Amino acid sequence: QQQVKQSPQSLIVQKGGISIINCAYENTAFDYFPWYQQFPGKGPALLIAIRPDVSEKKEGRFTISFNKSAKQFSLHIMDSQPGDSATYFCAASRGGSYIPTFGRGTSLIVHP
Amino acid sequence: ETGVTQSPTHLIKTRGQQVTLRCSSQSGHNTVSWYQQALGQGPQFIFQYYREEENGRGNFPPRFSGLQFPNYSSELNVNALELDDSALYLCASSLTGQDTQYFGPGTRLTVL
Repeated sequence: QQQVKQSPQSLIVQKGGISIINCAYENTAFDYFPWYQQFPGKGPALLIAIRPDVSEKKEGRFTISFNKSAKQFSLHIMDSQPGDSATYFCAASRGGSYIPTFGRGTSLIVHP
Repeated sequence: ETGVTQSPTHLIKTRGQQVTLRCSSQSGHNTVSWYQQALGQGPQFIFQYYREEENGRGNFPPRFSGLQFPNYSSELNVNALELDDSALYLCASSLTGQDTQYFGPGTRLTVL
């Protein structure tokens, strides 16, 4: 049972474009939604996270949009750069467990 | 402040053997979680340790076991290795009661 569904599986964007990755969850007990960035040969690194009490959070070029009623959240990367080329994972965890359930990942390639 | 470190970086074993992977948590972090990341997949939660005791377990068989030491470092042991155990094994540390986990670079295990 996949509790967090992530799409697309892969994404190719031109430099300067907007990259959008979407996730949907099933468990309404989830209350923490982080996004991780993983480069080849490295562990995932926390990029940005959101809680359901806000609909949007922005940090630099990275924005999370959150739709609680639809049980969906998305990552927007503005002005995408070749250095953003990596695999991105969404995740969700429920209060008290602090154990995230990960999506299957999106491989992002940003062409120069 | 040092981040999460893991050893070894790579490991090759044969089916039926046993393996021990090691993790040093980020300074001050008292909770350690282990994940298995198969190629092209998101990390899957194995178990979590807090105060040297298992504090949550994912859907992994008992041949996956662990330890946490008084200095918060941790070991993951896998007995009777199977071909499907080939994966990147990730360790993440955190402070109890906080959602954010910090991942190490992982150990790449290959079972032949």
